[in-house]
Amino acid sequence: GENVEQHPSTLSVQEGDSAVIKCTYSDSASNYFPWYKQELGKRPQLIIDIRSNVGEKKDQRIAVTLNKTAKHFSLHITETQPEDSAVYFCAAITTSGTYKYIFGTGTRLKVLA
Amino acid sequence: GAGVSQSPSNKVTEKGKDVELRCDPISGHTALYWYRQRLGQGLEFLIYFQGNSAPDKSGLPSDRFSAERTGESVSTLTIQRTQQEDSAVYLCASSFGLADNEQFFGPGTRLTVL
Repeated sequence: GENVEQHPSTLSVQEGDSAVIKCTYSDSASNYFPWYKQELGKRPQLIIDIRSNVGEKKDQRIAVTLNKTAKHFSLHITETQPEDSAVYFCAAITTSGTYKYIFGTGTRLKVLA
Repeated sequence: GAGVSQSPSNKVTEKGKDVELRCDPISGHTALYWYRQRLGQGLEFLIYFQGNSAPDKSGLPSDRFSAERTGESVSTLTIQRTQQEDSAVYLCASSFGLADNEQFFGPGTRLTVL
């Protein structure tokens, strides 16, 4: 079946450094790619998303890039802060025909002060 | 405004019992989703509802799982004859329709099957 691979599973960075999380998807029909942040004991919340007709999107310290040919997309967090520590999930969504919602397995990011 | 709510927040049950989990979506959201999140793992899509359309049940792990939604309001996820491997957090989310719309998640129901 379709799947989304997410790497790394854990990531530790020093405060102020950048963090990059990568996802690869298999369904070529996927056209919407959101990223969710889940703090410990809390519900996932959308932090940024990108659609298949866009190659890059930025929102302050967070950016997402998409390479449709290679079927991979990445989350970039610059100038990391302790409050960025959380689990991050990518997802590949297909919104035409049979809708599909496939999430990655998550990346636990720790920002060390 | 009120977000997505779920009840109960925690449920402990014995193997073989049936359980019913409830989700109240954000008012006006036509799409509703159920996910399962096992400890330390990602989100596993179970089912979605969109308006009055027939739900997509392709993600349900077995015929012990079923879900219903009344119109565009409350949804219930029922697990019959629970097994220990059903232990997980069950998350509900809702959005303005399907397509590329942000999903707003509820706090989840933590199910423990003894």
